[in-house]
Amino acid sequence: EAGVTQFPSHSVIEKGQTVTLRCDPISGHDNLYWYRRVMGKEIKFLLHFVKESKQDESGMPNNRFLAERTGGTYSTLKVQPAELEDSGVYFCASSLNRGQETQYFGPGTRLLVL
Amino acid sequence: KQEVTQIPAALSVPEGENLVLNCSFTDSAIYNLQWFRQDPGKGLTSLLLIQSSQREQTSGRLNASLDKSSGRSTLYIAASQPGDSATYLCAVRRGTDKLIFGTGTRLQVFP
Repeated sequence: EAGVTQFPSHSVIEKGQTVTLRCDPISGHDNLYWYRRVMGKEIKFLLHFVKESKQDESGMPNNRFLAERTGGTYSTLKVQPAELEDSGVYFCASSLNRGQETQYFGPGTRLLVL
Repeated sequence: KQEVTQIPAALSVPEGENLVLNCSFTDSAIYNLQWFRQDPGKGLTSLLLIQSSQREQTSGRLNASLDKSSGRSTLYIAASQPGDSATYLCAVRRGTDKLIFGTGTRLQVFP
């Protein structure tokens, strides 16, 4: 069974440009999460989808970040326009059920904004 | 506000030693606690998940304990090997589904 996959693995863009990250969860997992780690800090929650609905987006830093999960399968996270402080590693995770389930993480997308 | 702290931040030991990694959290009202390892440039691999009603979980050479009332968890690694070298992260889940992570312990096991 394939794990959580993320694309691209790395992205280098200039300040002001737009970047779109993609996450494919484990097949059948209704719950999809985005997290990120910025330099020197701990991994922090961004948002949580249950199928195509945003369940919790309390961690989204500002309105330059837009997450979608059309059809309840894969998800995209768009940053527009990107700023220097957006650099970091963006992780996606999925779980089968809510509550007490293990969250399975993807390899992350390393974003560098110059 | 829930805060998660991991001590030590880094650890270097010779192969064969038994290790204890510590994780503490400020709010004891958690659903579960999860231990992960992260290899350089890679994603997070789930090691153990302890539900709030449990005291410990074991997998191979790993044993994780949970003391909710004192806000502490430990990850015990028996007979450490160079392949155990990685960053170890603990994360707690509260009323929502989001995980709150500690900053990690970077472990190096040398031959």
